[in-house]
Amino acid sequence: NAGVTQTPKFRILKIGQSMTLQCTQDMNHNYMYWYRQDPGMGLKLIYYSVGAGITDKGEVPNGYNVSRSTTEDFPLRLELAAPSQTSVYFCASSLKRTGGNEQFFGPGTRLTVL
Amino acid sequence: GQNIDQPTEMTATEGAIVQINCTYQTSGFNGLFWYQQHAGEAPTFLSYNVLDGLEEKGRFSSFLSRSKGYSYLLLKELQMKDSASYLCAVRDENTNAGKSTFGDGTTLTVKP
Repeated sequence: NAGVTQTPKFRILKIGQSMTLQCTQDMNHNYMYWYRQDPGMGLKLIYYSVGAGITDKGEVPNGYNVSRSTTEDFPLRLELAAPSQTSVYFCASSLKRTGGNEQFFGPGTRLTVL
Repeated sequence: GQNIDQPTEMTATEGAIVQINCTYQTSGFNGLFWYQQHAGEAPTFLSYNVLDGLEEKGRFSSFLSRSKGYSYLLLKELQMKDSASYLCAVRDENTNAGKSTFGDGTTLTVKP
């Protein structure tokens, strides 16, 4: 299993540009999440999904959008990029179960908006 | 909502023991996780506590007191490779999405 994969690894955007961060997991996990991590900070939840066709906002959703058409894929869309969106973006997934459903993280996408 | 507090930085010596504390004030609680994150890498799962007490896993142990809103991660026989950030995360109560709120992390530096 590849686990959680993300593309691209790095990206530089100009203010106002748009892009899609790709995330795929091959563990058949129901739950998927998008986080951003600013330097020296923890993870802030942007959006999450409990299954195909179902998404919901997290703590910091403004400026982002998501879709979940399949169990495996959970892309994050940035519209009209702003310097405040410069961050490291992590995608994660977890099983739907009671108990310790720990999250498995992708390697991250490092985004700079200039 | 959730409020999670951890020390920002800690330093310890190779071979020693270090305890990283986490306190939380939450509107609900359904478990606490610890993750390790090396610089420039993704977080990886270390431990999970949902009941009071100590969970031991090799050199790492995690403790939880729900009444005090308190957890700690204990690292024994420190190695240089333990230098990393340690993230405390609290899972929301009554969620069908397994969501967790993360603290800002404690950066541990292990010195020879």
